[in-house]
Amino acid sequence: DAKTTQPTSMDCAEGRAANLPCNHSTISGNEYVYWYRQIHSQGPQYIIHGLKNNETNEMASLIITEDRKSSTLILPHATLRDTAVYYCIVSITNTGNQFYFGTGTSLTVIP
Amino acid sequence: NAGVTQTPKFQVLKTGQSMTLQCAQDMNHEYMSWYRQDPGMGLRLIHYSVGAGITDQGEVPNGYNVSRSTTEDFPLRLLSAAPSQTSVYFCASSDGWGNTEAFFGQGTRLTVV
Repeated sequence: DAKTTQPTSMDCAEGRAANLPCNHSTISGNEYVYWYRQIHSQGPQYIIHGLKNNETNEMASLIITEDRKSSTLILPHATLRDTAVYYCIVSITNTGNQFYFGTGTSLTVIP
Repeated sequence: NAGVTQTPKFQVLKTGQSMTLQCAQDMNHEYMSWYRQDPGMGLRLIHYSVGAGITDQGEVPNGYNVSRSTTEDFPLRLLSAAPSQTSVYFCASSDGWGNTEAFFGQGTRLTVV
């Protein structure tokens, strides 16, 4: 699986959009981009995933560049409960969810 | 649905002891995985299974055994516990060939003394 690069930490003001970048320059054509988050050492929680097109759900938006070498997770209106470690993962489509986690981005939402 | 259930939540072992971490899911998922998470680190894949009777090694399999006799259960066995196996263990399941989300349990915090 391709490796990802994320900033170690970020801050965001409550109510503002949080934009979390991820580089995955070696991504293959059959690899999806997944985002998970982990709050207080709980089990990781799925946020969103995509292949080529931008995606949006009730939690977040995922913007993938045209060359697919990078992506951005957008939390449109960050709340204190969004404080967590966010993991960007790329994974082969046909082998189940064998994820290779990095150290993620620690997002702190500031009141 | 209970989702992915891990037991126990906490465990302390002495070096050399063996034990089994239990993982059960009630979503009829084909894929199940075990990860470990050391302090300040991301999760690392130990073993995974793509269906009953099929298992394979992940990134850090040494010292652990798994079996998958049913779709629902995927136990992780520590054969002879070592202090280096002190970690938080997470089990995950999913139902798809990728393009689907994985569900994680709440973890088992294991300390080996």
